[in-house]
Amino acid sequence: EVQLVESGGGLVKPGGSLRLSCAASGFTFSSYSMNWVRQAPGKGLEWVSSISSSSSYIYYADSVKGRFTISRDNAKNSLYLQMNSLRAEDTAVYYCARDRGDGYNYEFDYWGQGTLVTVSS
Amino acid sequence: DIQMTQSPSTLSASVGDRVTITCRASQSISSWLAWYQQKPGKAPKLLIYKASSLESGVPSRFSGSGSGTEFTLTISSLQPDDFATYYCQQYNSLWTFGQGTKVEIK
Repeated sequence: EVQLVESGGGLVKPGGSLRLSCAASGFTFSSYSMNWVRQAPGKGLEWVSSISSSSSYIYYADSVKGRFTISRDNAKNSLYLQMNSLRAEDTAVYYCARDRGDGYNYEFDYWGQGTLVTVSS
Repeated sequence: DIQMTQSPSTLSASVGDRVTITCRASQSISSWLAWYQQKPGKAPKLLIYKASSLESGVPSRFSGSGSGTEFTLTISSLQPDDFATYYCQQYNSLWTFGQGTKVEIK
């Protein structure tokens, strides 16, 4: 059974940093692109970042470019999101989601339960 | 960037109703469109991919159609479990979600 479990969320002050993790199991992690998607309280879904299976291709939404860094460790079946210079508008539930394949033109077929990040003084 | 616009934002319907949600892309995305269902406090669930392909395990009352810039999600006979928020997503060029359509009980 495919499982994605996020961790690392919490309360952080504006300008602070946080590192999210996503532990994957039940599939060959190293064969799939992975993504982070966020959802602000009461709002819709926003794609944040994607990384290909071998980390060769990495993409970011304009809203986080230069502040967030996506990475993965295929040996540990884990996906990460390093978030720096956090702003109030980064407050959201952050979901880890799997691409159905590796590369372009794939939908997100499995999602984790999400981890809440709150940016507030 | 490709923008996705869903309509309506909210839809009130009764059990047994036929429901249609529309999603428009700001430029052609071929058939690279997915639909997701999300219930409060839960992660999104994939329903439809490549505009009209039904995800395994999803009831056949859900269907998708369209290509290019105009797409629809149809629920043929609304069931109590279907009251939720629905999102379209383009994956032709990076990834963009629509703003969501909340299906409420009439």
